[in-house]
Amino acid sequence: QQQVKQSPQSLIVQKGGISIINCAYENTAFDYFPWYQQFPGKGPALLIAIRPDVSEKKEGRFTISFNKSAKQFSLHIMDSQPGDSATYFCAAWISGTASKLTFGTGTRLQVTL
Amino acid sequence: SAVISQKPSRDICQRGTSLTIQCQVDSQVTMMFWYRQQPGQSLTLIATANQGSEATYESGFVIDKFPISRPNLTFSTLTVSNMSPEDSSIYLCSVLPSGSGQYEQYFGPGTRLTVT
Repeated sequence: QQQVKQSPQSLIVQKGGISIINCAYENTAFDYFPWYQQFPGKGPALLIAIRPDVSEKKEGRFTISFNKSAKQFSLHIMDSQPGDSATYFCAAWISGTASKLTFGTGTRLQVTL
Repeated sequence: SAVISQKPSRDICQRGTSLTIQCQVDSQVTMMFWYRQQPGQSLTLIATANQGSEATYESGFVIDKFPISRPNLTFSTLTVSNMSPEDSSIYLCSVLPSGSGQYEQYFGPGTRLTVT
């Protein structure tokens, strides 16, 4: 069962444009929502994260928008650069006796010149 | 944050053999996790390794196939036993630093395993 659905699977954006990646979750027990960036041959790197009691979080060119009622959250990359070309994973953390992170399926972003 | 190293970075193994992957963290951490990532795919949690207790395995993963050790708060190993070509994958160690509060989980660089 895919508890975190991510779209699109791939995305091509021109340099300077806005990249938008969407995720939806089902389990309302999730209490922390990070985004990871992964370059080929590297481990995922934590990019930005948000708690469900916050509707938006911005760090530099990266913004998370969170809609608790719709159980959706998205990553916006402003002024996209070729160096942003990577695979992005949304994830959801559930705390408690079986704490763990559940990942989305990933979005391969390509930023063209 | 935490700095995580894994050994080996990659290996090519014959079917039927076993490989032990090491994960070393530069600080004490409460929770350590082992993931598998097929090329071009998402990450799948194999097990959670807590110091002083047995690892907790996810559905589809068993201790006989993926035994895990967690001797202290900075080190863990994952063994891939009796390997088959289907075990070819990237294996990633991940940690949740103690007292992080924000559930910020960090990943190692991964071990790329090819089974022939």
